[in-house]
Amino acid sequence: GNSVTQMEGPVTLSEEAFLTINCTYTATGYPSLFWYVQYPGEGLQLLLKATKADDKGSNKGFEATYRKETTSFHLEKGSVQVSDSAVYFCALSNSARQLTFGSGTQLTVLP
Amino acid sequence: DAGITQSPRHKVTETGTPVTLRCHQTENHRYMYWYRQDPGHGLRLIHYSYGVKDTDKGEVSDGYSVSRSKTEDFLLTLESATSSQTSVYFCAISEGDRGLGNSPLHFGNGTRLTVT
Repeated sequence: GNSVTQMEGPVTLSEEAFLTINCTYTATGYPSLFWYVQYPGEGLQLLLKATKADDKGSNKGFEATYRKETTSFHLEKGSVQVSDSAVYFCALSNSARQLTFGSGTQLTVLP
Repeated sequence: DAGITQSPRHKVTETGTPVTLRCHQTENHRYMYWYRQDPGHGLRLIHYSYGVKDTDKGEVSDGYSVSRSKTEDFLLTLESATSSQTSVYFCAISEGDRGLGNSPLHFGNGTRLTVT
C-alpha cells in the first residue's frame, strides 16, 4: 500500500533560517506528490504539488522536487518567517479518489 | 474560498450516543471526503463520496457511516460513539472530476469531537 514518512517534529528555527522538512514515500506506479500546510485552528490548504518525476513545485518561497530515484519530496525554504509557523503535511495520490498523508511536522519560527 | 462549512465546530458527547457531523458545500463539487486528524497519525480517510448516494470506505471506516442524499451535503455518523473516536474531523472537497493529481483538496475548518 501507499505510505508517507515525514521527519518528526517539532522543528524550531530562528527567523531567516533555512528550512528542510524531509518526506519519503512508498507507492505503486507514478503518484502525484503534495505539501499541505495547516495554520492553527484551520483546515489544511495546498502549499505546492508535483505530478511527475523531476518536477519542482513552488509557492510562497517554498520548494520541493519530486525525486523518483530516492522516492523523496523534501520541502525547503531559504529564509523562514514567523508567519510560516504551522504544521506541514506531505501527501501522495496515485488514485483519482484518495490522498495518503504523512503524520505532519510542526514548525515554529522564533523572531 | 471553496465554500465548505462544517457543523458543529465543537461537540462533547457521551460514550454510546449517536453523533452526526455535517459538511455543507456551496459549489456542487462531486467529490467529498471525511478525514480524522490525530496526533502522530496525520490525516486518515474515513469515507468519501463521488456523487449523490455514491460512497466508499477509507482506511478507518469502522464505527462510522456516511450519507449523501444531495450534492451539497455529506453527513458523517457515529452510530455509538466511543472514546477512541475523540478526534478532530475534517471535511474536504475536490474541485475536479479528473482526480486528485489535478485538483487539490479544499478543507473545512474542522469539528472537534470529544467522547467522554
